Amino acid sequence: SSELTQDPAVSVALGQTVRITCQGDSLRRYSASWYQQKPGRAPILVIYDKNNRPSGIPDRFSGSTSGNTASLTITGAQAEDEADYYCNSRDGSNNHRKIFGSGTKVTVL
Amino acid sequence: EVQLVESGGGLVQPGRSLRLSCAASGFTFDDYAMHWVRQAPGKGLEWVSSISWDSGSIDYADSVKGRFTISRDNAKNSLYLQMNSLRAEDTGLYYCAKDNYNSGSSSSTFRDWGQGTLVTVSS
Repeated sequence: SSELTQDPAVSVALGQTVRITCQGDSLRRYSASWYQQKPGRAPILVIYDKNNRPSGIPDRFSGSTSGNTASLTITGAQAEDEADYYCNSRDGSNNHRKIFGSGTKVTVL
Repeated sequence: EVQLVESGGGLVQPGRSLRLSCAASGFTFDDYAMHWVRQAPGKGLEWVSSISWDSGSIDYADSVKGRFTISRDNAKNSLYLQMNSLRAEDTGLYYCAKDNYNSGSSSSTFRDWGQGTLVTVSS
């Protein structure tokens, strides 16, 4: 099966910009979605189909894809953005399956 | 407002069975595919299974194939996960999730999530 690789942790100063990446061969064929998860809470969808935001998600969240890498960018990070972020997509070797990245812990300093 | 409420979790011995349920409300249930996603303690998210609106398309992760069975009852707005031959590595929080699209087919985008039900497999 395919894999999605994420950096384990990144930090960002309050108000600055942070980019979280997700790498995998499946991203050449299938779009990525991104989820935010805070401790003890269920995940929340923040970006889908590369760069679409569900209603209620602030526009400081944006997504992009280039080649085998999808990115989630937080422009002007806020304290409440501190969370784990997961990417996911279809499995490139079997598109009936879904896969998640290992997650990135974002710390807002 | 979409609501997904999971139930049925608990402590179970290895090799035994458990059936999870997810009660859905706030949307037209049979317009959407549904999914189960789990999270082991302190670990990341793992997709478990998906089912199309009419149960005509069902998929499983390799880690549960042959042991778990997903099903749905559109008349009851409910999703189920029958888990047999449970193993210690099945321990985790099990989330029910609604697909993002009302096509009825399974995508990889999970729009709404329940709060999860905890499954602990231990002797």
